[in-house]
Amino acid sequence: NAGVTQTPKFQVLKTGQSMTLQCAQDMNHEYMSWYRQDPGMGLRLIHYSVGAGITDQGEVPNGYNVSRSTTEDFPLRLLSAAPSQTSVYFCASSYYGTPNYGYTFGSGTRLTVV
Amino acid sequence: SQQGEEDPQALSIQEGENATMNCSYKTSINNLQWYRQNSGRGLVHLILIRSNEREKHSGRLRVTLDTSKKSSSLLITASRAADTASYFCATDSLLGAQKLVFGQGTRLTINP
Repeated sequence: NAGVTQTPKFQVLKTGQSMTLQCAQDMNHEYMSWYRQDPGMGLRLIHYSVGAGITDQGEVPNGYNVSRSTTEDFPLRLLSAAPSQTSVYFCASSYYGTPNYGYTFGSGTRLTVV
Repeated sequence: SQQGEEDPQALSIQEGENATMNCSYKTSINNLQWYRQNSGRGLVHLILIRSNEREKHSGRLRVTLDTSKKSSSLLITASRAADTASYFCATDSLLGAQKLVFGQGTRLTINP
C-alpha cells in the first residue's frame, strides 16, 4: 500500500517551460487535491477533484490545469512556468463525504523556476 | 485567504514539558484537523475533531474545540525530541465542499 505517490521529487524549469506533476493514490479515494506551500505560509489549495471527470478551482488556480480521468491519478500541469510558481507542491487524497481519517499527503515536489 | 491561524508561530520548550498550540478560524466548520510536518517532508494527519465534539485524545495528543469562540488547541504532553516539527490546523468549511483550508503553522522545537 503506497498511499499517495508524487513524481518527480525535484524539478528545475526555465521560465516559459511546461511540465506535469504526477500524483497517484492506491486507496480508492474519491477526493484528490493539489496544494502549494511557500516559505512562512500554510498550504494553499490550487485545484481539487471529487471524482473521476470532476475538477474545480481552489484558492490559487491561475497558471495550473488539472484533469481526472481515473480515480487513481490527478496530474497537475504548469502551462508556462513563472518564477512565482517556485514552491513545494503537495498532492492529497481522502474519502469524499465525511472524512474520518483526515487527508493522506504525498511527500511533495520541490519546483524551482529560473 | 487563510481560514485558520495558529498561535504561537514558533514555540521552543524542553524535552518532557507540555506543548500547547492554538488555532483560530473564521467560518462555520464540519471538522477541524491537525497535521504535523517534519522538515522537508509531507504532512501527516494527527487527529480530527468534529464540530459537535469538544475534546478528543490520541496517545499524548489532546485536542479541544470551542465552536462558540471558533478556536481549537492542540496539547502534546511529555514532549520528545521527535516531536520537533511544524504543526498545522486545517478546517473543512461548511461552505467549502470538503476543501481543506490550512493555517500558517506553529514551528515547535523540543530541546534535549
